[in-house]
Order: sequence, then structure tokens, then C-alpha cells
Amino acid sequence: AQRVTQPEKLLSVFKGAPVELKCNYSYSGSPELFWYVQYSRQRLQLLLRHISRESIKGFTADLNKGETSFHLKKPFAQEEDSAMYYCALQEGGDSGSARQLTFGSGTQLTVLP
Amino acid sequence: EPEVTQTPSHQVTQMGQEVILRCVPISNHLYFYWYRQILGQKVEFLVSFYNNEISEKSEIFDDQFSVERPDGSNFTLKIRSTKLEDSAMYFCASGGRLATSYNEQFFGPGTRLTVL
Repeated sequence: AQRVTQPEKLLSVFKGAPVELKCNYSYSGSPELFWYVQYSRQRLQLLLRHISRESIKGFTADLNKGETSFHLKKPFAQEEDSAMYYCALQEGGDSGSARQLTFGSGTQLTVLP
Repeated sequence: EPEVTQTPSHQVTQMGQEVILRCVPISNHLYFYWYRQILGQKVEFLVSFYNNEISEKSEIFDDQFSVERPDGSNFTLKIRSTKLEDSAMYFCASGGRLATSYNEQFFGPGTRLTVL
């Protein structure tokens, strides 16, 4: 069974400092990894996915299969980045299947002024 | 931009009562999901629905739960006889406008269910 671990429940950094939110996963196949973000009183929304290798709002995440990690990084945190961040895993495979997401427990990021 | 909507935003019920949580997925999406999040815990998958039938379900999704897409737009989750431990935030999601190599899921705002 797959599992996603986010070791930090809370993370505080100062504005302008680098930030890294850790995510490790356990899955025997080839997973697809995502980061979802939930701003205060808003819905869960997709931040980025590993297959697109894009940078969204200055955030990047690289899939490291050797370390089974998918850490989220931003070089200069902004106050508006304060939110709950969830790492999620989806099984790879048949594109026609409605594959579930397995979420980590989330990290509450607070960016201090 | 189209969004997933859910009603009600908050539902309070007595233990043993039936509740129906409603969701309107994004139109022309093909896949529908229910997740729940008990306070202080992680978001957990309940069930996925595709082509008018359940595609996957978790251990949580026992005989007390059922899903339906009665009219081609609404997607409902029914809990037949609620228990105290069913108190949680329930999220609906939809995705898969096209069959792609990944299935981005778009989440609704959630329904907070409180069982007394």
C-alpha cells in the first residue's frame, strides 16, 4: 500500500528566507506526485505535479526516486505563501482509471514578516 | 472558471440519522471522488466513480455509505446511519475531462458534517 509522509506539521520561516517542505513516499510502482495547497478558508487546489516539472508561484519540486522524496522548495518565501501544503501520490498506470490520491498529513507553513 | 460546488457547507445531524451530501462536479468531467478529513487528521480517500459505477473504494467506505449520480450533474454521498466518528469534512472532487497520463482532481470547498 502507498503512503505519504510529511514529517513537519508546522513550519515557520521569515519573509525572504528559503523554504523547504519535506515529503517522502512509499510505493512499489511508478507514482505520480503532486503538491496541493489550501489557503485560509479556501479549497484544496493543485500547486504543482512532478511530471510537468514546472515552477508555480516560485515553488519547485523534484522527484527523487532514489530517496523516494518530493520536497517542495522556494528560494524566497513571501507572506502570501502562508497556507497548508499537502503532498499527494497517485498510482501510475492505466490513464483511463479513476485513481485515488493518497495524501500526507500536511504542513502548515507560516511566513513571518 | 468552473468550480466544484458542494451543499450544504455545514450539516449537523443526530447519531443514527441518514445524511446526503451533495456535489456538483465540473461539467464534462468523467471521474468523481469523495474524500474526508477528520479534524486534525489527513485527507482520506473514500470512493471514486466513473462511467456510472464505483471504480475504487477504501476500507472506510462500508455498507453505510453509498454514492449516486442521479441526474447526470449531481454526485451524492449518502451515509445511512451516521455515527459519531463520521464527523469530518467531506470533500468532493472531479477530474479527467480527457484520458491523460495523469488525472488532476479539482476539489470542492467541503461539507462539514457534525454528528451529535
